[in-house]
Amino acid sequence: NAGVTQTPKFQVLKTGQSMTLQCAQDMNHNSMYWYRQDPGMGLRLIYYSASEGTTDKGEVPNGYNVSRLNKREFSLRLESAAPSQTSVYFCASSALAGGGYTGELFFGEGSRLTVL
Amino acid sequence: ELKVEQNPLFLSMQEGKNYTIYCNYSTTSDRLYWYRQDPGKSLESLFVLLSNGAVKQEGRLMASLDTKARLSTLHITAAVHDLSATYFCAVDKGNKLVFGAGTILRVKS
Repeated sequence: NAGVTQTPKFQVLKTGQSMTLQCAQDMNHNSMYWYRQDPGMGLRLIYYSASEGTTDKGEVPNGYNVSRLNKREFSLRLESAAPSQTSVYFCASSALAGGGYTGELFFGEGSRLTVL
Repeated sequence: ELKVEQNPLFLSMQEGKNYTIYCNYSTTSDRLYWYRQDPGKSLESLFVLLSNGAVKQEGRLMASLDTKARLSTLHITAAVHDLSATYFCAVDKGNKLVFGAGTILRVKS
């Protein structure tokens, strides 16, 4: 059971380059999320998708775009990478709380991005 | 705006002793989650607390939730080296989780 799968695991970019982080989940969850993790700041929400066909901004959306391709897949795009986007990015999914579900997030292994 | 504060941010523990991590949050929520993260790894769910007064225990860890005080505690009993990791609390805000900054635990012999 793969759970949440992210690619790539590591990436080095030059300032101004673009790239897309891919995320797929096989748990039939409706909701998917992109967080970034920086030292001493916990995890901050970039974008989320409550269900297929919807996306919304989180706490730190500037410089990013997302696509909910289908129920399984949620991608994060950096159009013009900046050094401030050097971070570890985590994709997560969940079933909405209620009806026996707890709303807890299940995380991928993370994607470590360095922008030079 | 929901703010989640953990303290301490760093905790050096001696093996065999007891410690508590605190998680305070600023607005009403009935759902709180604790996660563990080992260095270079992903986050692993530890506890899900879904109502006022909820208490969950797993091994040497026990978590509780007081929604009226907007406070959750993670209590460590008789610390062992295997508990060294970073622990995050996260509070539900409309089916999105807001995370604390994390508490780095180190257990020394």
